[in-house]
Amino acid sequence: DTGVSQNPRHKITKRGQNVTFRCDPISEHNRLYWYRQTLGQGPEFLTYFQNEAQLEKSRLLSDRFSAERPKGSFSTLEIQRTEQGDSAMYLCASSLTTVNNSPLHFGNGTRLTVT
Amino acid sequence: AQKVTQAQTEISVVEKEDVTLDCVYETRDTTYYLFWYKQPPSGELVFLIRRNSFDEQNEISGRYSWNFQKSTSSFNFTITASQVVDSAVYFCALSEDEGGSEKLVFGKGTKLTVNP
Repeated sequence: DTGVSQNPRHKITKRGQNVTFRCDPISEHNRLYWYRQTLGQGPEFLTYFQNEAQLEKSRLLSDRFSAERPKGSFSTLEIQRTEQGDSAMYLCASSLTTVNNSPLHFGNGTRLTVT
Repeated sequence: AQKVTQAQTEISVVEKEDVTLDCVYETRDTTYYLFWYKQPPSGELVFLIRRNSFDEQNEISGRYSWNFQKSTSSFNFTITASQVVDSAVYFCALSEDEGGSEKLVFGKGTKLTVNP
């Protein structure tokens, strides 16, 4: 079990640029989630996938944000035309839905700084 | 609407002291799940426990114990004989989904510092 892996760990970008983050979930997990965490706050749900299908998106996810999980394995989160308010830690998590659902397993996150 | 309140923003204790982290939740559902996660300085959220709303038995795992009381909508977490390695931010979270594992609503966290 290699855990949930996120890349990059840190990203600094200028306002207006596009950024893309990658998440590799635990291999047998069919669900993948994205959360955002700002300083001093708990994580907030953004979106989740079951296999390759995106099942739900939070209203926090503006149209500048897009997430994909094309083959039901890794996922990418892209932010277009970044704003300073996008600065946060972006957390990915995965889980396995069976009769006894596993809890979410989180990665180390990608810290985004928009200057 | 779901809401999780962790009233204690920061707690500082000396090693070997016992410490209790409070969590109060709000939900309209009768079926829900409660969680505690630990976030050390490295940033990764580490799962500690999940409890469903039908199981009010308290749980003990080593130095950790949890007290779930539906009557007061609380799910408190106690660390006995705290250690420096317990220093972290601890989050309480709530899920109303049947699967019990997605769309967690987190509290703001309690930062615990254990001093030697």
